[in-house]
Amino acid sequence: AQKVTQAQTEISVVEKEDVTLDCVYETRDTTYYLFWYKQPPSGELVFLIRRNSFDEQNEISGRYSWNFQKSTSSFNFTITASQVVDSAVYFCALSEPGAGTASKLTFGTGTRLQVTL
Amino acid sequence: GAVVSQHPSWVICKSGTSVKIECRSLDFQATTMFWYRQFPKQSLMLMATSNEGSKATYEQGVEKDKFLINHASLTLSTLTVTSAHPEDSSFYICSAREQQSSRAQFFGPGTRLTVL
Repeated sequence: AQKVTQAQTEISVVEKEDVTLDCVYETRDTTYYLFWYKQPPSGELVFLIRRNSFDEQNEISGRYSWNFQKSTSSFNFTITASQVVDSAVYFCALSEPGAGTASKLTFGTGTRLQVTL
Repeated sequence: GAVVSQHPSWVICKSGTSVKIECRSLDFQATTMFWYRQFPKQSLMLMATSNEGSKATYEQGVEKDKFLINHASLTLSTLTVTSAHPEDSSFYICSAREQQSSRAQFFGPGTRLTVL
């Protein structure tokens, strides 16, 4: 069975601080996809990144960066120079390969990030 | 990017009534749509997988007779909560997987259901 663990329930930082959100996953599949989503107070999930299990290159997108370590089954997300607008709940998710078109997402419990001035 | 809409965005209903929630993919075709439920301050839990033209696949513990799903076209799936009760109050979110996509799901804005 697949499992995603986000051990940090809530994180509070002051604006301009860097913050890392942890994500650890469990799966028996050799092929899988990992995702990060942002859920602001409005509730709508915003897609941030998708990474497949064969690509361990770290990725940077503006102030966001992701570190995928297959050896430790982790897919951590770092926000550099955080801003108040980054305040949201962040979910890490894992997708099984699925047969046909099915690709179920297993979500972690989410990390609530609060960025204050 | 791919856009998914949901209607209504919020609904309040009396106990015992049925509520229909629509999920539409606006600029792409989705052979598969997913329905999630999210209770306050909790994670998203998959309720069912909806495939166009066939019966939905429900997750364990989800009552198929209570949560009716119809996916009649490549751009529309509906979730009907039948005989709603206060414990059904939740945030219902749909997602759609683009037909040509490699696993990315795009989420709708969610529907907040309150059953009095």
